[in-house]
Amino acid sequence: EAGVAQSPRYKIIEKRQSVAFWCNPISGHATLYWYQQILGQGPKLLIQFQNNGVVDDSQLPKDRFSAERLKGVDSTLKIQPAKLEDSAVYLCASSPREGWDEQYFGPGTRLTVT
Amino acid sequence: QQPVQSPQAVILREGEDAVINCSSSKALYSVHWYRQKHGEAPVFLMILLKGGEQKGHEKISASFNEKKQQSSLYLTASQLSYSGTYFCGTERDYGQNFVFGPGTRLSVLP
Repeated sequence: EAGVAQSPRYKIIEKRQSVAFWCNPISGHATLYWYQQILGQGPKLLIQFQNNGVVDDSQLPKDRFSAERLKGVDSTLKIQPAKLEDSAVYLCASSPREGWDEQYFGPGTRLTVT
Repeated sequence: QQPVQSPQAVILREGEDAVINCSSSKALYSVHWYRQKHGEAPVFLMILLKGGEQKGHEKISASFNEKKQQSSLYLTASQLSYSGTYFCGTERDYGQNFVFGPGTRLSVLP
């Protein structure tokens, strides 16, 4: 069974530029999550999708971050414009069932904003 | 509200035991445990639910004290492969308010 795929793996941009990350969850998984992990800290939930719908986006900085899940499968997370403090690893995870269940994480995208 | 983890870091020799704790000031529905090795993604270890149900890897042992809102992860006869950062995640209500703790860094030395 293929795992969660993410791209790109690394991205370096200048502040005020925009960037997009892509995630392909495990086939059939209903729930998809995006996390931001700053070095030395635990992952911080940005947004949780269940199929097509948003379950929780309370910690998503909506003035600059946006996310969508296409047809309940792939997802993209966008930052526009980026700030220095957005430098982090962005992790995508999926789980097979509704609610908080075992999460399978992708390898992450390391973003550096200069 | 982020759970508290203790200790922040621990160093062991191979074969020694360790306990990692996770506590919350709020009532919890479930506690989740993950291990993350340096430069890698977190890997699922266990879920403990209110009421006693557990789901996870056979070699992992953990407990959830509902009265104290505290969970403990027991690592016995540690191996070099146990090294990494252990995160607990807490769910306050079913399907809601999930947040990871700051992590406990575990180093196992030969």
